[in-house]
Amino acid sequence: DAGITQSPRHKVTETGTPVTLRCHQTENHRYMYWYRQDPGHGLRLIHYSYGVKDTDKGEVSDGYSVSRSKTEDFLLTLESATSSQTSVYFCAVNGGLGGPGLTYNEQFFGPGTRLTVL
Amino acid sequence: QQQVKQSPQSLIVQKGGISIINCAYENTAFDYFPWYQQFPGKGPALLIAIRPDVSEKKEGRFTISFNKSAKQFSLHIMDSQPGDSATYFCAASKGAQKLVFGQGTRLTINP
Repeated sequence: DAGITQSPRHKVTETGTPVTLRCHQTENHRYMYWYRQDPGHGLRLIHYSYGVKDTDKGEVSDGYSVSRSKTEDFLLTLESATSSQTSVYFCAVNGGLGGPGLTYNEQFFGPGTRLTVL
Repeated sequence: QQQVKQSPQSLIVQKGGISIINCAYENTAFDYFPWYQQFPGKGPALLIAIRPDVSEKKEGRFTISFNKSAKQFSLHIMDSQPGDSATYFCAASKGAQKLVFGQGTRLTINP
């Protein structure tokens, strides 16, 4: 599992409330990613980070923000949750060759967080 | 927009048969093509991957076939077993950039 944990594993919340999901890794990977998985859509990238305090948007970033103050932690925040954000959220790290010139994009995924917004 | 199209959406194969899942991509700059396997309630796990300088890669019962000119690649599972029943995702990326995933194929192996 590449030393990745996600918390919480399950959460039920109400529309309009803020929600923060946490991804923690123990192997000092530089790149970290947040995806959401929905039936018929595969995995879609929300945001990713290429270092502490360095983040960028993915294809479905609206309504989400991220922060990375330490190498090991990558937080995903839903500022005001909506029912369309009900999904399973996966964190991933890039376990490929590190350094300035990553030669491939071998990503390893955490166990996921199932979020339900009522 | 960069896309990876995966087919079929679902597949049923008899035990011992060959399972074949196909993917097509648009961006000729992609240079890394992994397949992920996901069991219910678990995160996707990297199964096998290929780079475009080879046409085939085999690891045990799993083989990726790659056709650069057609911009297609496929996963073949030989001697399919009930334990192979899972959802499979293809993906593609350029260098260390973002992975683009296919929509997934739910594979069921009947005993």
